Amino acid sequence: NAGVMQNPRHLVRRRGQEARLRCSPMKGHSHVYWYRQLPEEGLKFMVYLQKENIIDESGMPKERFSAEFPKEGPSILRIQQVVRGDSAAYFCASSPVSGELGEQYFGPGTRLTVT
Amino acid sequence: RKEVEQDPGPFNVPEGATVAFNCTYSNSASQSFFWYRQDCRKEPKLLMSVYSSGNEDGRFTAQLNRASQYISLLIRDSKLSDSATYLCVVNALSNTGKLIFGQGTTLQVKP
Repeated sequence: NAGVMQNPRHLVRRRGQEARLRCSPMKGHSHVYWYRQLPEEGLKFMVYLQKENIIDESGMPKERFSAEFPKEGPSILRIQQVVRGDSAAYFCASSPVSGELGEQYFGPGTRLTVT
Repeated sequence: RKEVEQDPGPFNVPEGATVAFNCTYSNSASQSFFWYRQDCRKEPKLLMSVYSSGNEDGRFTAQLNRASQYISLLIRDSKLSDSATYLCVVNALSNTGKLIFGQGTTLQVKP
């Protein structure tokens, strides 16, 4: 049973470009979460999605960031017009159920570097 | 005040030592609690859930005190492989799965 898969593992973008991060949850998991870890900081929640629905996006920056989890295919975190401050590790997690019964399993992360 | 606070350490201990980490959380409505482990800023891995009655998994014991909003992790007979950052994690609301992470406590076990 493959774990949570993320690609690319490393992504370099110049300021102003777009970054697309992909996440495939564990088999049988229908809940996906995105977290960001800035250098020397802890993980911060960004967004929680179920298939075709955004459930909680309270941690998403108001501009340039969007996320989706389509009926078919991986979840995508999209960052438009990247800036240096977006450089971070972006982790995706999945769980079979949500809330207090849900223990989340993390992917290896995508390290985004903005030059 | 941070939602989840931990002493960042580092804690430097010899092999075989017993070490305890503490964590406090600010939201009294928090529903569930976990300890995760993170190695060298790789992906966090679930170590154990934390229950009010306390729970033990081998050399690891976790305790929750809801009245004091306090969580602890005890590691007995430390191994070199226990060296990592330990993350105290709180599920803020039961219906969203939104995890709130502490900054982490770094443990270095030395031979």
